[in-house]
This record gives sequence, C-alpha cells and structure tokens, in this order.
Amino acid sequence: NAGVTQTPKFQVLKTGQSMTLQCAQDMNHNSMYWYRQDPGMGLRLIYYSASEGTTDKGEVPNGYNVSRLNKREFSLRLESAAPSQTSVYFCASSEGRRGETQYFGPGTRLLVL
Amino acid sequence: GESVGLHLPTLSVQEGDNSIINCAYSNSASDYFIWYKQESGKGPQFIIDIRSNMDKRQGQRVTVLLNKTVKHLSLQIAATQPGDSAVYFCAEKNNNNDMRFGAGTRLTVKP
Repeated sequence: NAGVTQTPKFQVLKTGQSMTLQCAQDMNHNSMYWYRQDPGMGLRLIYYSASEGTTDKGEVPNGYNVSRLNKREFSLRLESAAPSQTSVYFCASSEGRRGETQYFGPGTRLLVL
Repeated sequence: GESVGLHLPTLSVQEGDNSIINCAYSNSASDYFIWYKQESGKGPQFIIDIRSNMDKRQGQRVTVLLNKTVKHLSLQIAATQPGDSAVYFCAEKNNNNDMRFGAGTRLTVKP
C-alpha cells in the first residue's frame, strides 16, 4: 500500500495563478483532510471531508476550495494564489470520524511569488 | 515544550541516551493525544497515542506519559539513535472532535 500520496511535490506560482493539489489514499479511509504547515507553527486545518460527497471548512479555509472526487481522492484548489499561501500543504486521511489517528502524505511545497 | 514562534525548541542528545520531549496542551476536555515524528522534507508519521483514561503507554523504545492535572504530555525515547533526529509534535483531540497540533520540538542526536 502506498498510503497517502500527493502531487505535485513542489510548485512555484505567480500571484493570481490557479492550481489544484491532488491527494489520494489507498487505505479505504472515510475521512480526508487538507492542512497547511508554516514555519514554527502547528498544522492548521484548511478543509476536511468526512465521507464522499461531503466537505467542511476548517480553521483557515479562505482562498481555498476542495473536491472529494470519490472515496480515494480529495483535491485542494487555489483559485487565485497569493504570497500568503506560500506554505507546505499536507493531505491526511483517517478511518473514521474526525479526531481519530490521521495518516499523512509527503506534502506539497508551494511558493507563490 | 511547544512554541508558537518562528523558532522551534530544540533538544540535543548523545546517541544512546534517553530523550524526553514535552508538550503542554490547552484543553482540559481533550481526551485523545498523539505524538508524531516529522523528518526533514517528509510528512508527519504516527508514533504513539494515548487516551485520557490512561496515564502511560509504551511502544517500541517509546513511552508516552499523560498528566491531566497539569495538562502535560511527554514522549520518552529510549536509547536514542541518529535516525530519531526529527521534529516531534503532539496533537490533542478536543471535545469538538477537532485535532489541534503543536509546533513541535526539534530533536538532534549527536553520534
């Protein structure tokens, strides 16, 4: 099993450009999450999905949209990137509801110029 | 301990020594805690968890201690090895089922 995979690994955008970060898990988990990690700070939840077809905002949702395409895949979209969105983005999944042990992907490093 | 600033707390230990990493959590209603290890350039990796009805749990070379009275969590690593060098952070699940993550402590193991 690959666990949680993310693409791309690294991306550079100009302010105003859009992009979609892809995430997939092969553990048959119901819940999936998107976090951002900034230097010296803990992971902050952007959006999560408790099941296919449902999504909910987390702590820092502004400037992002998500799609739970199917049980395996959960994508994060930046419609108009801003320098403040420069960060490392992690996707995670858990078997059940929020709060259970979450398993993380390797991350996407995003630089917005 | 944890930090909300730009610089993480650091712990430097000699190979073979025991390491103790601390975490202070904020919500007395939190009932589930996890320790993660994050190596440079990688995603967080689950190490060990503990529920609030326990005060100690042991894994392979790792022990987590929970003191609910002072809202303190610690991770002990026995016989620390160079491969243990990483950032370690704790996470707490509060009564809204939200998982909150600490910023972490950077562990450096000297050979």
